[in-house]
Amino acid sequence: SQELEQSPQSLIVQEGKNLTINCTSSKTLYGLYWYKQKYGEGLIFLMMLQKGGEEKSHEKITAKLDEKKQQSSLHITASQPSHAGIYLCGARSPNTGNQFYFGTGTSLTVIP
Amino acid sequence: DTGVSQDPRHKITKRGQNVTFRCDPISEHNRLYWYRQTLGQGPEFLTYFQNEAQLEKSRLLSDRFSAERPKGSFSTLEIQRTEQGDSAMYLCASSFGRGRETQYFGPGTRLLVL
Repeated sequence: SQELEQSPQSLIVQEGKNLTINCTSSKTLYGLYWYKQKYGEGLIFLMMLQKGGEEKSHEKITAKLDEKKQQSSLHITASQPSHAGIYLCGARSPNTGNQFYFGTGTSLTVIP
Repeated sequence: DTGVSQDPRHKITKRGQNVTFRCDPISEHNRLYWYRQTLGQGPEFLTYFQNEAQLEKSRLLSDRFSAERPKGSFSTLEIQRTEQGDSAMYLCASSFGRGRETQYFGPGTRLLVL
């Protein structure tokens, strides 16, 4: 099965600081998705990356995909308390294309 | 609100009871997914529908679990003879398309089996 490992598992930062979350796949990536989840709630779609070298930004969040390294990173600039939550990377299974796998998540706390 | 909705949001049941959850996807979405998420873990794929056809089931889905999408719109997930290990958040997601389309998630149903 596809395994996605995220690092770090948890992160506590002061408001205004930059941070990076990494997602590494055990197998070839066929696209990579980033979601955010607040405790006890559903997932909110952030970004989808499909091609190696692709980089996307939304407000202060930037995600990059390195297909050769089977890795993606999510970078938050000038973090705010509203960025707090659990960040999850997800990818499709290369075998079926429909089964979707998630990493274990990175819990982000932003201290005002 | 035109997003994915799930009902109920919370369910407490006693071991051995049956429970049923409902998911209403975004109206034009032809694909519907069920996931299970336990504390500290990412969601795990359970099953997937394209229209009314259940096309894939995870090995995680034991015989006590059954899912339906009778008219290709809403879906139900039933768990029979619940066990304490079934306690989890059950998430539904929907998407539209044929390939690598984005899934949009509902708020989840949190199940606690006593």
